[in-house]
Amino acid sequence: DIQMTQSPSSLSASVGDTVTITCRASQAIGYSLAWYQQKSGSAPKLLIYAASALQSGVPSRFSGSGSGTDFALSISSLQPEDAATYFCQKYNSVPPTFGQGTRLEIK
Amino acid sequence: EVFLVESGGGVVQPGGSLRLSCEVSGLTFDGYAVHWVRQSPGKGLEWVSVISGDGGRADYVDSVRGRFTISRDNSKNSVYLQMNSLRSEDTALYFCAKNKHYSSGADGLDIWGQGTVVTVSS
Repeated sequence: DIQMTQSPSSLSASVGDTVTITCRASQAIGYSLAWYQQKSGSAPKLLIYAASALQSGVPSRFSGSGSGTDFALSISSLQPEDAATYFCQKYNSVPPTFGQGTRLEIK
Repeated sequence: EVFLVESGGGVVQPGGSLRLSCEVSGLTFDGYAVHWVRQSPGKGLEWVSVISGDGGRADYVDSVRGRFTISRDNSKNSVYLQMNSLRSEDTALYFCAKNKHYSSGADGLDIWGQGTVVTVSS
């Protein structure tokens, strides 16, 4: 099975900062990658699909990039409501594995 | 607006069974694959199973294959997860979620339910 490795596992940033979370696949997956945001006590929310396509209703300060094995989620102009855990998921084949998550704290 | 609502969770002894349900409203249900994803307390997300829109194809994570069975009844806009021979490691919050695109195989998951809790304990 293809493994997904996210980094960092946690980070802390200030309002207005730009942060980048990376996700690496153990084998090439083309553009078949999604990013989710999960706030405490809630279901995950789709942010990005097909590596860089912004889900409807998601602020444009969220952006995704990459292909093959290396992907990134960038969040610019950080807001307090961006405090959450972020997960990548590959979906080119079964099982559609998730990364282990990145916890983002807003200072 | 599209909603997914899970039910059927509870407390069960090791070796026992539970049947989870996921009811979908607000869309033409039979065109969308539906997944089950679980999250153990304080842990990450683990994909469990998927069923195609017509119910003809299903797949499972290795740790549940042979113990869990996914099914759907499109006339009732519902997907089910029959869980047998439950183990303590199956304890988790179970979410159902749908593929983003109609009639797609592999896809991101755009709508999720709020989850139902399964606790396996003696």
